[in-house]
Amino acid sequence: QVQLQESGPGLVKPSQTLSLTCTVSGGSISSGSYYWSWIRQPAGKGLEWIGRIYTNGSTNYNPSLKSRVTISVDTSKNQFSLKLTSVTAADTAMYYCARYNYDSSGYQLFDYWGQGTLVTVSS
Amino acid sequence: SSELTQDTAVSVALGLTVRITCQGDSLRGYYASWYQQKPGQAPVLVIYGKDNRPSGIPDRFSGSSSGNTASLTITGAQAVDEADYYCNSRDSINNHVVFGGGTKLTVL
Repeated sequence: QVQLQESGPGLVKPSQTLSLTCTVSGGSISSGSYYWSWIRQPAGKGLEWIGRIYTNGSTNYNPSLKSRVTISVDTSKNQFSLKLTSVTAADTAMYYCARYNYDSSGYQLFDYWGQGTLVTVSS
Repeated sequence: SSELTQDTAVSVALGLTVRITCQGDSLRGYYASWYQQKPGQAPVLVIYGKDNRPSGIPDRFSGSSSGNTASLTITGAQAVDEADYYCNSRDSINNHVVFGGGTKLTVL
């Protein structure tokens, strides 16, 4: 059973960089054709896809966040990470990591999710 | 457009059937997946693909799609099904992932 666990500071000051790590257990992050993703959810609002990384390092980002986001992977630690620069109060949200998969037959899904970590941007 | 549109809120009487819909151009290329989210919890995948349920999801949940519209149907809604439901799809043109705004389901 694959499990994901987010970790990182729960409080970040405005204009600083938010950094989170997702640790994957129960399977190798390098195995299979999966995309490792970050998703966030402000309190009382919907889900917002931030971006994803494949194990070869290729990335895709939400256009609305692309200029501030970097997702990286460390296969030796079975982890992937999120960095979001120049944060403001609008970046306050629950941040989830999740495993994504899709294929040419039309299937696409996030099948495993972390429990989420709350990040508050405040001075 | 890569947006997905969902009704904000839907209600159903206990034991009856409810359909939650999701509309968007990206659904012409990829099946929607559906996620259930209860307060304070992470989303849980309930339907993916043409009409597939992950292990442990009750068979009262089913999915369907036609054109640019996907539907999640709960047949015989239970009190435990009260939650927010999100659809998602893949925008193959821009290689992005999109989520619907979510539907709050109330079981009366």
